[in-house]
Amino acid sequence: AQSVSQHNHHVILSEAASLELGCNYSYGGTVNLFWYVQYPGQHLQLLLKYFSGDPLVKGIKGFEAEFIKSKFSFNLRKPSVQWSDTAEYFCAVRGGSGNTGKLIFGQGTTLQVKP
Amino acid sequence: DTGVSQDPRHKITKRGQNVTFRCDPISEHNRLYWYRQTLGQGPEFLTYFQNEAQLEKSRLLSDRFSAERPKGSFSTLEIQRTEQGDSAMYLCASRYPGLTQETQYFGPGTRLLVL
Repeated sequence: AQSVSQHNHHVILSEAASLELGCNYSYGGTVNLFWYVQYPGQHLQLLLKYFSGDPLVKGIKGFEAEFIKSKFSFNLRKPSVQWSDTAEYFCAVRGGSGNTGKLIFGQGTTLQVKP
Repeated sequence: DTGVSQDPRHKITKRGQNVTFRCDPISEHNRLYWYRQTLGQGPEFLTYFQNEAQLEKSRLLSDRFSAERPKGSFSTLEIQRTEQGDSAMYLCASRYPGLTQETQYFGPGTRLLVL
């Protein structure tokens, strides 16, 4: 069965620090990978997605992620975080049999950025 | 606001009662998903509709749960004889038809508390 694992459950950083959130997935076929963010009191929003091509994907608000097929990883990075990046981050893979497009999410990482 | 909307946003009920949630997807999005999110976890897939057809149901969707999308527009999720373990955030998402690279857009969710 497909699964997504996020290594860090709770990360605390100071402003301007660099961020890397780990994500590993298990799926044998072609994967579509996503990072979603949930800011306090808001709904899930897409940060970035990978379908094919350049394994380094750039998203909104300065975030990027690198797909490394050999490591089954899709880690999220940002060179310099801001207080406004405080949120919960979810890695997800689209897959499963059939073509429903359902998403399988990791358990999430809570990021707290101290001003 | 032309995003995905859900109603109600919060629901408190007593164990054994029935509850119904509504989701209005983005106009022209013929694909609709329901997910459930419990505290400290990522969203888990419940069911998927393409137009009015329910094409996939998760094992999480016990026989107390039923979902409908009668006219291929809004959808309802009903939980009968609620249990305390049903307490969670219920999320709805919709997607544009056809293109596999299209993103799922999430609604704000309905938070259910079963006492």
